[in-house]
Amino acid sequence: QVQLVQSGAEVKKPGASVKVSCKASGYTFHYYDINWVRQAAGQGLEWMGWENRDSENTVYAQKFQGRVTMTRNISINTAYMELSSLTFEDTAVYFCARGPPPFDYWGQGTVVSVSS
Amino acid sequence: QSVLTQPPAASGTPGQRVTISCSGGSSNVGTKPVSWFQYVPGTAPKLLIYSNNQRPSGVPDRFSGSKSGTSASLAISGLQSEDEADYYCAAWDDSLNGFVFGGGTKLTVL
Repeated sequence: QVQLVQSGAEVKKPGASVKVSCKASGYTFHYYDINWVRQAAGQGLEWMGWENRDSENTVYAQKFQGRVTMTRNISINTAYMELSSLTFEDTAVYFCARGPPPFDYWGQGTVVSVSS
Repeated sequence: QSVLTQPPAASGTPGQRVTISCSGGSSNVGTKPVSWFQYVPGTAPKLLIYSNNQRPSGVPDRFSGSKSGTSASLAISGLQSEDEADYYCAAWDDSLNGFVFGGGTKLTVL
């Protein structure tokens, strides 16, 4: 069955970077895009961007441009999302989701806490 | 402020039918397929509806979607206690060149 398994919770200081991984199984990894979505406490779901299946194109939400990098390692069926220059407002649960839309399978979520 | 507008809350009693609206514009809902997700904090969002009115396998037919112009709706019939969750509409937005979610609707089963 299709599964997306994400890395564990992270605690970071303001100004640091975080890299979240998303390991795929149960399907041909390079046939699908990977999207990243986050949900901050008290906020709604927020799309961050996607990396297409060929790793030849990434589209980032305007809000995160310059601060986010999405990559993948096809040899180990794993996608990554790195967010830099963290602020307290980046405290959230981060999800990977299989694309293109609709997002039919999601990872379990990774809690990223930004705290001094 | 979300590009797609949803009511912040909705409620119903078991067995009732509830509808959640999603209002957008010509760059998103008006011209792009709409999806609906069910989200319980602490779990992964679940795809309920895609392409405006299609249900993935495994989603009960109590859930249905529709779209007219720049508005979409999710209907839940035969409301059950386990339907208590947050519901989000979503669509691609050509103006933003990105995927956008509605602000979410918290459904309470009374």
